[in-house]
Amino acid sequence: DIQMTQSPSSLSASVGDRVTITCRASQSISTYLNWYQQKPGKAPELLIYLASSLQSGVPSRFSGSGSGTDFTLTISSLQPEDFAAYYCQQSSSIPWTFGQGTKVEVK
Amino acid sequence: EVQLVESGGGLVQPGGSLRLSCAASGLTFSTYNMNWVRQAPGKGLEWISHISSSSNSIYYADSVKGRFTISRDNAKNSLYLQMNSLRAEDTAVYYCANSGNYRLESWGQGTLVTVSS
Repeated sequence: DIQMTQSPSSLSASVGDRVTITCRASQSISTYLNWYQQKPGKAPELLIYLASSLQSGVPSRFSGSGSGTDFTLTISSLQPEDFAAYYCQQSSSIPWTFGQGTKVEVK
Repeated sequence: EVQLVESGGGLVQPGGSLRLSCAASGLTFSTYNMNWVRQAPGKGLEWISHISSSSNSIYYADSVKGRFTISRDNAKNSLYLQMNSLRAEDTAVYYCANSGNYRLESWGQGTLVTVSS
């Protein structure tokens, strides 16, 4: 199975900050990497697919980059509604696997 | 708007069985692959099963293989998960999600399964 490792596990930030979350795969996954946002008590929502494509309806302050084994999710200017958990997920091979999550908290 | 609504969760004893359902609307269900993903309390996400649009391809995570069975009824726009031999570690919120082009596009609100005596 492909292991996905996110860093950091949590971070504290303020509104307006630029936030970067990284995700590393245990082997190359090309660009088969997705990012999801999950708010407390809610289902996850797709933000970024195939490493860098923005899902319809997602604000442009979210962006993704990377290929192979190293990927990044960037929030260019953190908004109050962005405090949440973020998960990367590889879809290169079954079983699809998720990173352990990154919780973005209020500083 | 895509809507996925899970049902069937609840409290079950270890070794027991439960059948989850996921009712889909707002999409051409028969053209989408479907998945079950679970989340234990306070933990991360775990993909557990996938079924192709025509049920030709089915996959399971090792953690549920041999105990869980995924199925679908395209005429009823519904997805199912039959869970047998349940264990305490199966306690989680179970989500259904449609997948296309290698991503989990839309998710239901989840249904809680609690395995406890």
